[in-house]
Amino acid sequence: DTAVSQTPKYLVTQMGNDKSIKCEQNLGHDTMYWYKQDSKKFLKIMFSYNNKELIINETVPNRFSPKSPDKAHLNLHINSLELGDSAVYFCASSQGTSLAADTQYFGPGTRLTVL
Amino acid sequence: AQSVTQLDSHVSVSEGTPVLLRCNYSSSYSPSLFWYVQHPNKGLQLLLKYTSAATLVKGINGFEAEFKKSETSFHLTKPSAHMSDAAEYFCVVSGHNFNKFYFGSGTKLNVKP
Repeated sequence: DTAVSQTPKYLVTQMGNDKSIKCEQNLGHDTMYWYKQDSKKFLKIMFSYNNKELIINETVPNRFSPKSPDKAHLNLHINSLELGDSAVYFCASSQGTSLAADTQYFGPGTRLTVL
Repeated sequence: AQSVTQLDSHVSVSEGTPVLLRCNYSSSYSPSLFWYVQHPNKGLQLLLKYTSAATLVKGINGFEAEFKKSETSFHLTKPSAHMSDAAEYFCVVSGHNFNKFYFGSGTKLNVKP
């Protein structure tokens, strides 16, 4: 009965590789997000999709490309991985698009380590 | 610009005693503030949020927080700690357009029997 799930939980890879992280929510929400949590544990939004349409795209490298095949899924693909990409990536979902008005439900996170 | 400072990286209390997790914020605008909890290997769960209504906000599991503008604080409290409260807690401030979450560095709460 997991609300927001992410796979894989851990991802260890070499520099230069391409990898994907998958996210699924079974809450019927319209909006999904990707956040990056760096070593200082500041969570910063990367992308937000509402009904499969991109609505927030923060200043992240274009090596990061989100893909939303349907509103229950938001995957994150990363090309040419770099050491600085090592972090924990959190997926989240909410019913609406307001971070103030709409409660966000977060997944357990994916710890990406780039060697 | 918005930022959050959680003053304690670790807090240890005995079961049944009060909990105080401190948070100070900086915001150029009237902020929306949140507390999230993360148990090991679990996602972040919203405890409570302040969005310019009552300054004393009650959340789930007996937690509450008070917004004090004069002190730029949003401390999280609970009258009596339970073993299940052991987790990491994050204080969060949203950006002006509510499209960003600025998380504090987290406070690990340890509850001793």
